[in-house]
Amino acid sequence: DARVTQTPRHKVTEMGQEVTMRCQPILGHNTVFWYRQTMMQGLELLAYFRNRAPLDDSGMPKDRFSAEMPDATLATLKIQPSEPRDSAVYFCASGFGTGSYGYTFGSGTRLTVV
Amino acid sequence: SQQGEEDPQALSIQEGENATMNCSYKTSINNLQWYRQNSGRGLVHLILIRSNEREKHSGRLRVTLDTSKKSSSLLITASRAADTASYFCATEKHRDDKIIFGKGTRLHILP
Repeated sequence: DARVTQTPRHKVTEMGQEVTMRCQPILGHNTVFWYRQTMMQGLELLAYFRNRAPLDDSGMPKDRFSAEMPDATLATLKIQPSEPRDSAVYFCASGFGTGSYGYTFGSGTRLTVV
Repeated sequence: SQQGEEDPQALSIQEGENATMNCSYKTSINNLQWYRQNSGRGLVHLILIRSNEREKHSGRLRVTLDTSKKSSSLLITASRAADTASYFCATEKHRDDKIIFGKGTRLHILP
């Protein structure tokens, strides 16, 4: 089965450090979402791309978060500088974006900022 | 911001019984999707129902959609221990096609 691959699976970092999370979407999928999951807030949409173009990143704290798709096989989410409140599980999901199929999620990156 | 709200927040039933979860949303949608998440794992897509559909089946899953009430329900028949998970509804909003998730229902199947 095709998979969305996220790296790293776990990341512990100190406050103030830069964190980069990577996502390899399924080949052929043209839509990529980034979500953050916490117990308090649930699944929050951070940003999404179609055909590598950013469509919406209004869910991201702009001063510290950035999301890019340097090519069709890689999406990145960067936090600089990281803060303890960024601790969460970050998920990437990819799909065809046609409204006819669901999306495939990666296993997530569990980020802990100490 | 949350678009969908699931109800109940948590549900415990005996194995073999049917489980029903509900989802309400606020704005016009293109489709509504249900996902399952096992503890510590990513989300798995279960079923998608378009705004012009009223009911859809997939194996032991039955989904209904009432656009006039802005609500959906997910029925799992003949529940199994392996169905223990969190279930989320997600709506694809009309005109901007963002996928927004609710906070989920935690389902526990008792042996």
